[in-house]
Amino acid sequence: KAGVTQTPRYLIKTRGQQVTLSCSPISGHRSVSWYQQTPGQGLQFLFEYFSETQRNKGNFPGRFSGRQFSNSRSEMNVSTLELGDSALYLCASSRAWVSNEQFFGPGTRLTVL
Amino acid sequence: GESVGLHLPTLSVQEGDNSIINCAYSNSASDYFIWYKQESGKGPQFIIDIRSNMDKRQGQRVTVLLNKTVKHLSLQIAATQPGDSAVYFCAENMDDMRFGAGTRLTVKP
Repeated sequence: KAGVTQTPRYLIKTRGQQVTLSCSPISGHRSVSWYQQTPGQGLQFLFEYFSETQRNKGNFPGRFSGRQFSNSRSEMNVSTLELGDSALYLCASSRAWVSNEQFFGPGTRLTVL
Repeated sequence: GESVGLHLPTLSVQEGDNSIINCAYSNSASDYFIWYKQESGKGPQFIIDIRSNMDKRQGQRVTVLLNKTVKHLSLQIAATQPGDSAVYFCAENMDDMRFGAGTRLTVKP
């Protein structure tokens, strides 16, 4: 069974640009969560989607948004990039909403210059 | 501020010894506490969870202890192996997953 895949794995952008990251969950998983990981703030919850609906959202500005498609694939978008958005963005999938056991992808390393 | 934190940022143990990783939490309303392991270059991996009405739960080579009186959570790894070297996070499920800062475990051969 294929794991969670994230594309691209690495990305370099400049301030003010926008970026879209993609996540394909494990087959059969309907929940997708996104996290930002930085050395200073650790792992922080961004949002969770279940059956194409955003079920929960973390404490991030509106520049961070996401969506989920009917095949459970998800994308997250960050607009007007800031230097502080440089981070590892992790996607996790699970069968159920708000599941303890989430399956994480390898992440997308975003660098903002 | 963070509701879940870890006592030590690093832990070094000898191969074959037992490891104990500690975590403190502040939110008594959490239903579940979870431990994740993150190896270098990979996403976190679920290890074990414990419901808030339990004191202890065992898995394969791992035991999680929950002390609600002092709001303390620990992960014990028996017979630690080099493959256990990773960063370990405690987390609480509050309708969204809240992770602690992480403890880096290094296993010396």
